[in-house]
Amino acid sequence: NAGVTQTPKFQVLKTGQSMTLQCAQDMNHEYMSWYRQDPGMGLRLIHYSVGAGITDQGEVPNGYNVSRSTTEDFPLRLLSAAPSQTSVYFCASSRTGLTAKNIQYFGAGTRLSVL
Amino acid sequence: DQQVKQNSPSLSVQEGRISILNCDYTNSMFDYFLWYKKYPAEGPTFLISISSIKDKNEDGRFTVFLNKSAKHLSLHIVPSQPGDSAVYFCAARDLYNNNDMRFGAGTRLTVKP
Repeated sequence: NAGVTQTPKFQVLKTGQSMTLQCAQDMNHEYMSWYRQDPGMGLRLIHYSVGAGITDQGEVPNGYNVSRSTTEDFPLRLLSAAPSQTSVYFCASSRTGLTAKNIQYFGAGTRLSVL
Repeated sequence: DQQVKQNSPSLSVQEGRISILNCDYTNSMFDYFLWYKKYPAEGPTFLISISSIKDKNEDGRFTVFLNKSAKHLSLHIVPSQPGDSAVYFCAARDLYNNNDMRFGAGTRLTVKP
């Protein structure tokens, strides 16, 4: 009964490094999304996907890349990490899009620090 | 711009009393509202929701009220229990962009025994 699994839980990067945050779900959900949470702000949507092969930008997409080659996986790539990307990242999934009956299930988060 | 605002960063109540968490929004196109609860080191979990066509939705000890004219919603927890201590996020979905959801900054609720 894994749900949404995010790895790693913690990561420290140097400015300019790249890395991929992993997200996997085992509920056969079509919709997946990435959020970041910063102090004093709500969760902000970075990118989302409504199905394999389909991705779109959210509210704060700059500096991030995503792809969705399978239903299960939705990795988030930081191309060249910047201190402004220090945040807690959450991946979420729902059965289909954000319709009224489809709630999102969140992973436990990845805490990223960029020095 | 923050379209969903939770102006109280924290709230402390006594066990057994009512907890009232508030949320304001600015986008009149929001048609569906949700509350999520988050414990430390865990992801948010869905708590309760309300459609814009309703003004109240109840689920056990949790009730959400929506006042569309004031663009305000509130979550009532009665009676409050120590296990309710968590951060509560208000969220809203845009009718015309329903793959996007906006969240408030959260309110940390502490229920004292």
